[in-house]
Amino acid sequence: EPEVTQTPSHQVTQMGQEVILRCVPISNHLYFYWYRQILGQKVEFLVSFYNNEISEKSEIFDDQFSVERPDGSNFTLKIRSTKLEDSAMYFCASSEAPAAGYNEQFFGPGTRLTVL
Amino acid sequence: AQTVTQSQPEMSVQEAETVTLSCTYDTSESDYYLFWYKQPPSRQMILVIRQEAYKQQNATENRFSVNFQKAAKSFSLKISDSQLGDAAMYFCAYRSPGNQFYFGTGTSLTVIP
Repeated sequence: EPEVTQTPSHQVTQMGQEVILRCVPISNHLYFYWYRQILGQKVEFLVSFYNNEISEKSEIFDDQFSVERPDGSNFTLKIRSTKLEDSAMYFCASSEAPAAGYNEQFFGPGTRLTVL
Repeated sequence: AQTVTQSQPEMSVQEAETVTLSCTYDTSESDYYLFWYKQPPSRQMILVIRQEAYKQQNATENRFSVNFQKAAKSFSLKISDSQLGDAAMYFCAYRSPGNQFYFGTGTSLTVIP
């Protein structure tokens, strides 16, 4: 069964450094998403991406964040200058273009980001 | 603003028994979708069940069913014949017409053998 994959599974970085989190969505999916989950808290929406541009973003997704689909398979989240509060689990998700409207999102296993 | 509230941070159930996880949400929209996701200790979220707001009939998937009360903005999940593999964190989620997901804070379900 196709699945969303994410690399690395765990990333440790120093405050102020740039990190790139990578995701490979399911191959025939057209919508891509990033979420984060700070330890012990709820999953929060960051951004959705369709047709090579951001379709929606939350207040969390400020200028420090960017997303890119550099090729036909990868979808990346870049944090330009990490802060301690960026430490969280980051989930990538993908979905087919909405047809019947269900638009089920398939989640990856997550990347745990630790900022020191 | 849309919010999703899960008032039970932790629940436990005896194996083979039934448990209900509660979820309420707030929205001014009339057409939306609701979901329950399961997040086992491996931490990959898996869709359990979904409900379209315009459908009056409650969704059912094998041992999982929902009680959707649109007027009350309530969307509870019932797990029948609980199994050890049902132990996980369960998240209720609301999807807006604009395709943005809002998650609750989760309910940690323990299944007691």
